[in-house]
Amino acid sequence: AQSVTQLDSQVPVFEEAPVELRCNYSSSVSVYLFWYVQYPNQGLQLLLKYLSGSTLVESINGFEAEFNKSQTSFHLRKPSVHISDTAEYFCALTGANNLFFGTGTRLTVIP
Amino acid sequence: DVKVTQSSRYLVKRTGEKVFLECVQDMDHENMFWYRQDPGLGLRLIYFSYDVKMKEKGDIPEGYSVSREKKERFSLILESASTNQTSMYLCASSGPGASGANVLTFGAGSRLTVL
Repeated sequence: AQSVTQLDSQVPVFEEAPVELRCNYSSSVSVYLFWYVQYPNQGLQLLLKYLSGSTLVESINGFEAEFNKSQTSFHLRKPSVHISDTAEYFCALTGANNLFFGTGTRLTVIP
Repeated sequence: DVKVTQSSRYLVKRTGEKVFLECVQDMDHENMFWYRQDPGLGLRLIYFSYDVKMKEKGDIPEGYSVSREKKERFSLILESASTNQTSMYLCASSGPGASGANVLTFGAGSRLTVL
């Protein structure tokens, strides 16, 4: 069976502070891992993805995630957040034949 | 710019009404999906389609049906709307092929309220 667990439903953080959004997965087959972001009143859009190769992947707006196979994790990090990063973040994986989403983490950046 | 367009952003319907949610993509993608998004539950897959006239049940198909008569259009149908179907509905598409590496492109969502 495959599943994705996002351990935190809400994460408040002050502007310019670092943040980590946690994602753990369970799968008996090789997986592809994704982070999607949903800004207020919008659909989801891809933030970054891990398919193969380097385990550290980066987005164009300063987020990064590291695929850790031994810990079955794909945590999302940013060293300094901005107000504009306020959004809901979804971790997702694809395995054999399906796509699984986590329940989401709402990141609120406080001025 | 690639796009998935959902015809209605906000709908209000009454219990028992038939509801159509339309989704159109302009990327020539083979795969299309309908998700339901509820607070604390994330995204749950209702139905998906890998080709014209093909459909597969997702995790929560009860109370819903779909239609895919053309490659670019995927419709979600609520035959008799109920209050527990009040939700945000998200359409997505992906391609080429059925690779798990495909990125989903989402529409802006349709918020349905059933009274």
